[in-house]
Amino acid sequence: DAGITQSPRHKVTETGTPVTLRCHQTENHRYMYWYRQDPGHGLRLIHYSYGVKDTDKGEVSDGYSVSRSKTEDFLLTLESATSSQTSVYFCAIRAIMGETQYFGPGTRLLVL
Amino acid sequence: GESVGLHLPTLSVQEGDNSIINCAYSNSASDYFIWYKQESGKGPQFIIDIRSNMDKRQGQRVTVLLNKTVKHLSLQIAATQPGDSAVYFCAENEGGTSYGKLTFGQGTILTVHP
Repeated sequence: DAGITQSPRHKVTETGTPVTLRCHQTENHRYMYWYRQDPGHGLRLIHYSYGVKDTDKGEVSDGYSVSRSKTEDFLLTLESATSSQTSVYFCAIRAIMGETQYFGPGTRLLVL
Repeated sequence: GESVGLHLPTLSVQEGDNSIINCAYSNSASDYFIWYKQESGKGPQFIIDIRSNMDKRQGQRVTVLLNKTVKHLSLQIAATQPGDSAVYFCAENEGGTSYGKLTFGQGTILTVHP
C-alpha cells in the first residue's frame, strides 16, 4: 500500500452527523488524493492536495471538505453525512516526479 | 472492454491459460496509462504503466499493449493463476493538469478456475 494507512477502515454513522476520515502516509509524498468508489461509477476524485495547506476540488466535491496541516496527513470531512455518501473511500498518493497514483486500503462508510 | 453500467464485463479462464483484458480509453490526448488490480475489500494495486510513445511494455507475467489509432489498451497476463482473480481497470492521464488527473475505467472481473 505504498506506506499509506486509512482510518477508520469501517464506519457506520447516521444521517446528519459529521464524519472525518484520515489518510496517513510515511513517505513524504507531495500529492495526496481522496476518491470515492461506487458501483457503476468507478473511482471519482473528491479533493486533492499538492502540499501542506494547498488543496483543491475534484469532480464530486459537494458535501466534502479536506484539510492538510502536515505532509503526512490528509483529512476528509463530511460536514453532515447523507445516505448518498455511503461509499468506499480511497486515499492515494503521487510522488512529485512520477505520475502513478498509489492507493491506500480504503474506508467503507455506511450512512444510515 | 469497459462498461458504463452496473454490470462489469467478466472474463473466466482456467489456471495456466493466458488472459487478455481490454480497455477503450476516451481521450486521444492522453499520454500515460496505468493498469490496476483490485481484490475484494482492498485498494487498487498498481500493475504496470505505459507512455503514449510506446506501444508495448512488459513486466513480470504481464504485458500492456497500446493502440493509439483506435484508443485501445490491453493487459495480457501469462499463465494466469487463481491469485490473479480480481477486478482489473485501466486509468488514463489526460494531461493538461498540474495535479495529474486520472480518469478510471470501471473494470473487468477476472475469475481464474483451478
